[in-house]
Amino acid sequence: SAVISQKPSRDICQRGTSLTIQCQVDSQVTMMFWYRQQPGQSLTLIATANQGSEATYESGFVIDKFPISRPNLTFSTLTVSNMSPEDSSIYLCSGAPMGITEAFFGQGTRLTVV
Amino acid sequence: DAKTTQPPSMDCAEGRAANLPCNHSTISGNEYVYWYRQIHSQGPQYIIHGLKNNETNEMASLIITEDRKSSTLILPHATLRDTAVYYCIVGRGSNYKLTFGKGTLLTVNP
Repeated sequence: SAVISQKPSRDICQRGTSLTIQCQVDSQVTMMFWYRQQPGQSLTLIATANQGSEATYESGFVIDKFPISRPNLTFSTLTVSNMSPEDSSIYLCSGAPMGITEAFFGQGTRLTVV
Repeated sequence: DAKTTQPPSMDCAEGRAANLPCNHSTISGNEYVYWYRQIHSQGPQYIIHGLKNNETNEMASLIITEDRKSSTLILPHATLRDTAVYYCIVGRGSNYKLTFGKGTLLTVNP
């Protein structure tokens, strides 16, 4: 298994500001994934982050709004830029240790934009 | 990725087996069946996965039909702490994205 830590666990932010969420894995992972879970909804994939290349974004998500960094095989960040109340969600990262078939998830960052 | 169909909700009595069904009729030969659960907005917790054979671990058993078009997750002795949304997902492995559906809300009753 893998332990995935996210920081912060929750935050309340003013509209128009940006928040960077950190995701740390206790072992090396090839791909890391960022998801959004809006209130009462299922998880929606934002983007896939691979070290050394630009993240691949899903339809409806753009780099200017959700820039992602992946500096090494154990760490990634997601920034939620120019926030509005509609960005209030839980943001989750996931990854799988090399050689393992299943992915694991962080506990999520609960973001409230006021 | 193949889509899955799950009942929106199920109830189970504490101590009894919970059997959660999932249909994945368009699954491809190289796709796994994964089960995760999410307890009250925590991060999804991995439960079990399988390709063709039935699987069992300390949490649950996974029964996959011979044609691989459906599967059942079995929690042998459900407890109140097993109340959660259970997601059945078909995917090609850890380096590929997982597409979450709405899942099944399992409520374990005392």
